[in-house]
Amino acid sequence: EPEVTQTPSHQVTQMGQEVILRCVPISNHLYFYWYRQILGQKVEFLVSFYNNEISEKSEIFDDQFSVERPDGSNFTLKIRSTKLEDSAMYFCASNRAVLNEKLFFGSGTQLSVL
Amino acid sequence: GNSVTQMEGPVTLSEEAFLTINCTYTATGYPSLFWYVQYPGEGLQLLLKATKADDKGSNKGFEATYRKETTSFHLEKGSVQVSDSAVYFCALSDQLRGGSQGNLIFGKGTKLSVKP
Repeated sequence: EPEVTQTPSHQVTQMGQEVILRCVPISNHLYFYWYRQILGQKVEFLVSFYNNEISEKSEIFDDQFSVERPDGSNFTLKIRSTKLEDSAMYFCASNRAVLNEKLFFGSGTQLSVL
Repeated sequence: GNSVTQMEGPVTLSEEAFLTINCTYTATGYPSLFWYVQYPGEGLQLLLKATKADDKGSNKGFEATYRKETTSFHLEKGSVQVSDSAVYFCALSDQLRGGSQGNLIFGKGTKLSVKP
């Protein structure tokens, strides 16, 4: 079965630094998402992306966050100035269509902000 | 707002034991309900889903019934195997929001360990 690929699997950064988390969604998918899970807490929706623009975002997704699909394959999440509380597992996901409810998730990037 | 609450883990069972992981939800409208599973080192995978009241989702021996009267979607399996060891997430999507069906609301996850 095709997979969503995320890199790196673990990223360590200093507070205040910019980080870019990378994802390669499944090639024929049109909708892309980022979720995160802070240790011991719920998996939280961050943002959805379709047709080269954000279709929906949560309250968590403030001005420090941005997403981009710089080419036909990659989907990135940028955090401009990381805070300690940004430490979490970040999951990328994709699906083919809005009515197709099955999401395909990557294995996640563990971000540690020191 | 919409939310999902699932039982705290970890849950440790012996092989062939009966499994129940409780999940209850709060939602306006008519959400679809899901169970996702995350095996070690992998991403979340859809295990089963139900889109309306009284629907039963099933897959790989797991079952869950959408109970509107109790706002529940408990996951069950009659006989677990070591290979079922994973983290299980209950989730809902609110179809009335009109947004992407990918905007899921998850529970915290329940870690299941099955011992031989």
